Amino acid sequence: EAGVTQSPTHLIKTRGQQATLRCSPISGHTSVYWYQQALGLGLQFLLWYDEGEERNRGNFPPRFSGRQFPNYSSELNVNALELEDSALYLCASSRQLNQPQHFGDGTRLSIL
Amino acid sequence: TQLLEQSPQFLSIQEGENLTVYCNSSSVFSSLQWYRQEPGEGPVLLVTVVTGGEVKKLKRLTFQFGDARKDSSLHITAAQPGDTGLYLCAGTDSNYQLIWGAGTKLIIKP
Repeated sequence: EAGVTQSPTHLIKTRGQQATLRCSPISGHTSVYWYQQALGLGLQFLLWYDEGEERNRGNFPPRFSGRQFPNYSSELNVNALELEDSALYLCASSRQLNQPQHFGDGTRLSIL
Repeated sequence: TQLLEQSPQFLSIQEGENLTVYCNSSSVFSSLQWYRQEPGEGPVLLVTVVTGGEVKKLKRLTFQFGDARKDSSLHITAAQPGDTGLYLCAGTDSNYQLIWGAGTKLIIKP
C-alpha cells in the first residue's frame, strides 16, 4: 500500500508569490489534513478536508486555502507569501474521522 | 482552548539510559496517539491508546494512558541512538479533532 505522497519535495519562492502544494492520500482514505511545522517545532493545524469539503481550519489567515478533489487528493495554496511562511508543510490522511492520521514526508517551502 | 503540554521539550542522554516523556492536559481525550518524527520525514505513528489506564508496549517503548484519559507517558528503556527524534503526542477530542503537543526533541548519544 502506497503511503501519503506530497509534491514537490522542496519549493523556493520569493515574497509576494503564490505557492501550490499537492498531496495524495493513502488509497481508501477520505480525510486529508494539512499542517505547518516550523523548523524543529510541533505541528500547527492548517486545514482538514473530508469528502471534498473543508471541515475545519486552524488559526491561519485567509491567504492559506486549499481544496480536495473527487479522487481525495488535495492542494494547499498560499498566496502573497511572507518570509515567516517558510516551513515544512505536512499532509496527513485518515480512513475515517476518528482514525489515526498517516503522514507524508512534507514539502519544504522556503521564502527568499 | 484545549492544550496538550509535553515535557521535557528537549532531552539529551547517553545510550543505555532510561527516560520518560510526558503529555498532560486538563481535557479528556477519547484516544491519544504518539508519533516519532525524524529529520526530513513526516511523523510516524507509534501507538494509539484508548482506554484509561491502558499500557501498551512496543519493544523497549512503554506507553501509558492515564486513568482519567487526560495524560499519557512514553517510557524508553535502554535508549539507543536509533531512538533519536522528535516525539509528538496528539489527543482526539470530543469533536474528533486532533490536539497536538509541541513535541519532545530526544537525542541519544552513543
